[in-house]
Amino acid sequence: AQSVSQHNHHVILSEAASLELGCNYSYGGTVNLFWYVQYPGQHLQLLLKYFSGDPLVKGIKGFEAEFIKSKFSFNLRKPSVQWSDTAEYFCAVNSWGSSASKIIFGSGTRLSIRP
Amino acid sequence: GAVVSQHPSWVICKSGTSVKIECRSLDFQATTMFWYRQFPKQSLMLMATSNEGSKATYEQGVEKDKFLINHASLTLSTLTVTSAHPEDSSFYICSVSTDTQYFGPGTRLTVL
Repeated sequence: AQSVSQHNHHVILSEAASLELGCNYSYGGTVNLFWYVQYPGQHLQLLLKYFSGDPLVKGIKGFEAEFIKSKFSFNLRKPSVQWSDTAEYFCAVNSWGSSASKIIFGSGTRLSIRP
Repeated sequence: GAVVSQHPSWVICKSGTSVKIECRSLDFQATTMFWYRQFPKQSLMLMATSNEGSKATYEQGVEKDKFLINHASLTLSTLTVTSAHPEDSSFYICSVSTDTQYFGPGTRLTVL
């Protein structure tokens, strides 16, 4: 069965610090990978996605993620965080080639940025 | 991306009553929609896959008789929580699948 692990439950950083949030997945086949963000009081928004091709994916708001197949990882990075990045971040996976298949979410990482 | 709306955005009901939540795809004809629930400070848990014109597919452990899903058109799926109890209080979120999934704003259900 598919599963997604986010090992950091709560990360606290100061503004301008660099960010890396870990995500590992377990699945026997080829997958699509996603990072979603949920700002306080708002709904889920797509940050970035990987379907195929260049394993380094750039998303909105300066975020990027790297797919490392050998490590089953899809870590999210941002070189310099801002206070407005305070939010909950979710890594997710579904079966490659099937956009209509269900998405499995990780447990989420709460990011708090100190101004 | 697709634009998804949900109605109502929040609802409070008495224990034992039923509540219907609507999910609309405003700019995309969706043959498949998904329903999730999210407990406070937790991740999204997939409840079921809503299929237009056919029965929904429920995840293991989700009571299909309690959480009735109807996907009568390509733009509307409804989730009815029947005989609601306080433990059903949660945040219910739907999504529409295009090249990826786009989520609605969610419905907060509080059962007294």
